[in-house]
Amino acid sequence: DTGVSQDPRHKITKRGQNVTFRCDPISEHNRLYWYRQTLGQGPEFLTYFQNEAQLEKSRLLSDRFSAERPKGSFSTLEIQRTEQGDSAMYLCASSLALSSRNEQFFGPGTRLTVL
Amino acid sequence: AQSVTQLGSHVSVSEGALVLLRCNYSSSVPPYLFWYVQYPNQGLQLLLKYTTGATLVKGINGFEAEFKKSETSFHLTKPSAHMSDAAEYFCAVSDADTDKLIFGTGTRLQVFP
Repeated sequence: DTGVSQDPRHKITKRGQNVTFRCDPISEHNRLYWYRQTLGQGPEFLTYFQNEAQLEKSRLLSDRFSAERPKGSFSTLEIQRTEQGDSAMYLCASSLALSSRNEQFFGPGTRLTVL
Repeated sequence: AQSVTQLGSHVSVSEGALVLLRCNYSSSVPPYLFWYVQYPNQGLQLLLKYTTGATLVKGINGFEAEFKKSETSFHLTKPSAHMSDAAEYFCAVSDADTDKLIFGTGTRLQVFP
């Protein structure tokens, strides 16, 4: 068990560029979550997957954001036409959903800076 | 809808003093409650959680929290602060169906020598 990993750890981009982040969950975990954390705030839920199905998207996830989890393994989060307001830490978490109320394990996050 | 309120965005204590970080929740169903710690530029680490059963929950690094339904609170305490406890602490409640976490705004703990 190597834990949840995220890549890259840091990304600096210019406004208007596209960026993609990757999350590798703990191998047997079937649920994967994305959260966004801005400076001085708690993480906010963006979206989650159960296996390869995206089951819920927050209204925070504008049309410029898209997430995928092909084959129910790793996940990618893409932001198109980045804006300065997208600057944040993007956190990924995974869990093994056996019943209800399952514990999530977090990755180290990807810090995005949009210039 | 579920929500979490953390009172006090900053708490400062002296090394060796009691740490008390406050969390109140709102939930229409029996809540599952969590405390996470975040060190600078790192992800979240679970300190402790309340699911069912015993209302006094012990976690890592000497922290504990007590679930008080009548007060809708889940305050985090540690009897004696250590310099290494300086970090950001988040209280969270989980959604019953999706397990998604709803976080408070966090409390930054500073520990002075």
